[in-house]
Amino acid sequence: GAVVSQHPSRVICKSGTSVKIECRSLDFQATTMFWYRQFPKQSLMLMATSNEGSKATYEQGVEKDKFLINHASLTLSTLTVTSAHPEDSSFYICSALPGQGLSGYTFGSGTRLTVV
Amino acid sequence: GENVEQHPSTLSVQEGDSAVIKCTYSDSASNYFPWYKQELGKRPQLIIDIRSNVGEKKDQRIAVTLNKTAKHFSLHITETQPEDSAVYFCAASRGGSYIPTFGRGTSLIVHP
Repeated sequence: GAVVSQHPSRVICKSGTSVKIECRSLDFQATTMFWYRQFPKQSLMLMATSNEGSKATYEQGVEKDKFLINHASLTLSTLTVTSAHPEDSSFYICSALPGQGLSGYTFGSGTRLTVV
Repeated sequence: GENVEQHPSTLSVQEGDSAVIKCTYSDSASNYFPWYKQELGKRPQLIIDIRSNVGEKKDQRIAVTLNKTAKHFSLHITETQPEDSAVYFCAASRGGSYIPTFGRGTSLIVHP
């Protein structure tokens, strides 16, 4: 089946620094990838839709200058949390549609970001 | 847009009992309803799904029912086991390239 790889799985960074998270589709091409944020014991909150070769589409309330998304190839999307603050600490998950219809909607393994 | 409500937020059962999680949706155009299981610190994994042309679907101990008229769908787990303990999310979508709208999740705890 379709596999989405996400790295790193855990990262700890200091306040004010930037962190890059990678999301790769391993055995399929993904023109569209999605980035979610999940707080403890809460649901998945869609942050943005990443489109290969064009600008990402951000959900209302998500700061595009804070969460930079780049989808430079058909297999890689990156999320950069810029000037991170402790309130950015969260679980970030990417997902992709392998083109099998929505039944193939696949999540990455997630990244636990802790800002200290 | 779509709005998905999920209940209960927490469900505690004894091993061997059945568990039922219910969801309602608002968009009558939604036609695809997946359920995901998320273990602590891991990615959500699709466990079962149902499309609007079907009223019920079963896969071993899990089943999903859909009532399109009432716009609600439910997940049923029979003979629960401790390894069923996880957070379960329902979702609704129009299918195709539409991304799903997720419910808030249900934390299922199965006591041995």
